[in-house]
Amino acid sequence: NAGVTQTPKFRILKIGQSMTLQCAQDMNHNYMYWYRQDPGMGLKLIYYSVGAGITDKGEVPNGYNVSRSTTEDFPLRLELAAPSQTSVYFCASSYSQGNYGYTFGSGTRLTVV
Amino acid sequence: ILNVEQSPQSLHVQEGDSTNFTCSFPSSNFYALHWYRWETAKSPEALFVMTLNGDEKKKGRISATLNTKEGYSYLYIKGSQPEDSATYLCASLGGYQKVTFGIGTKLQVIP
Repeated sequence: NAGVTQTPKFRILKIGQSMTLQCAQDMNHNYMYWYRQDPGMGLKLIYYSVGAGITDKGEVPNGYNVSRSTTEDFPLRLELAAPSQTSVYFCASSYSQGNYGYTFGSGTRLTVV
Repeated sequence: ILNVEQSPQSLHVQEGDSTNFTCSFPSSNFYALHWYRWETAKSPEALFVMTLNGDEKKKGRISATLNTKEGYSYLYIKGSQPEDSATYLCASLGGYQKVTFGIGTKLQVIP
């Protein structure tokens, strides 16, 4: 049982480049989330999904896009990377909205230079 | 309280000491309170999910209480061990998908 798998673990992007952060879970969770962690700040919600085909913006969605074509996968797309997107990104999933804890992936450390 | 606040931000305790820290959250529109343990170079791991006022949860030497009316939760660690060293995060869920994480309390247990 792999849980939540995130790739890559590290990435350096140049300003203006694009990339996709991959997230996959094998627990048949309907709810999936993307968070970013900046130093001295709590985890901030970027986008979330309550099921295949359904996505919605979180607190800090600008500069990002997501899709959810299957229950298992929830990729996060960065278009035109900016230094402000330097952060650690975590994908998470849960069985329900709040009555179960989230299962987090191992994180992706992204640097935009 | 408008945001989720955790205190202290960090603390050092001796091995064997008991300790506790606080999570304060908005008491209006409360749905659930999560506690996570986050070890360095790993990802957050769920400890407790609490929903009812007066809830008490326990896992080994770690326990938590919840007061939804006044908007706080306490996490207790009895007889701290070096392997308890981690950042402890709380997250308040208020309303549909409205989740707010605190910045955590970083605990260092000194052998």
